[in-house]
Amino acid sequence: LAKTTQPISMDSYEGQEVNITCSHNNIATNDYITWYQQFPSQGPRFIIQGYKTKVTNEVASLFIPADRKSSTLSLPRVSLSDTAVYYCLVGDPGDKLIFGTGTRLQVFP
Amino acid sequence: GAGVSQSPSNKVTEKGKDVELRCDPISGHTALYWYRQSLGQGLEFLIYFQGNSAPDKSGLPSDRFSAERTGGSVSTLTIQRTQQEDSAVYLCASSLGSLPGYTFGSGTRLTVV
Repeated sequence: LAKTTQPISMDSYEGQEVNITCSHNNIATNDYITWYQQFPSQGPRFIIQGYKTKVTNEVASLFIPADRKSSTLSLPRVSLSDTAVYYCLVGDPGDKLIFGTGTRLQVFP
Repeated sequence: GAGVSQSPSNKVTEKGKDVELRCDPISGHTALYWYRQSLGQGLEFLIYFQGNSAPDKSGLPSDRFSAERTGGSVSTLTIQRTQQEDSAVYLCASSLGSLPGYTFGSGTRLTVV
């Protein structure tokens, strides 16, 4: 299972774009990159998943370079409600996912 | 159901007692996972069920922990002779075993006193 490295914490202000980068140097061919969001006292919530290039949905964008050794979660125009912990995971969708410690994003007014 | 349901939402037990935590996955999801999250920490993988295959128990921290999944649906996580270090939120998730990802329940907060 590929190990991931992401910043422990980030601060931002409302209305700004936030980019959280995750490193996964030993990603395997079958591995996908998945991001989850977790609010206090709740289970993690799936945000976005991708294999290569760029994926966009109504919540976020995921940028994956050609070598796939890193990925960047982009949150456009964050609000206070985006304050949460964001987890980057790499793995085969048919297997268990191993969570790291995540990135604690704090959005200020 | 519409989501993953876990019960109870909160459980306080005395040290040394056994506890059972229940997870009802999304109907049709073949894969079911249990994780544990201690206060302020990340998620720790415990066990994984996929269809009729033997479960992946590689994350269970001791032989006091066990889990079963009946009929490919409901799962029960059992902790015997609970210890204070077992206090945590126990999260269950289910998925189709493929894309696009897991759906988590709200968890059971276990407090061992």
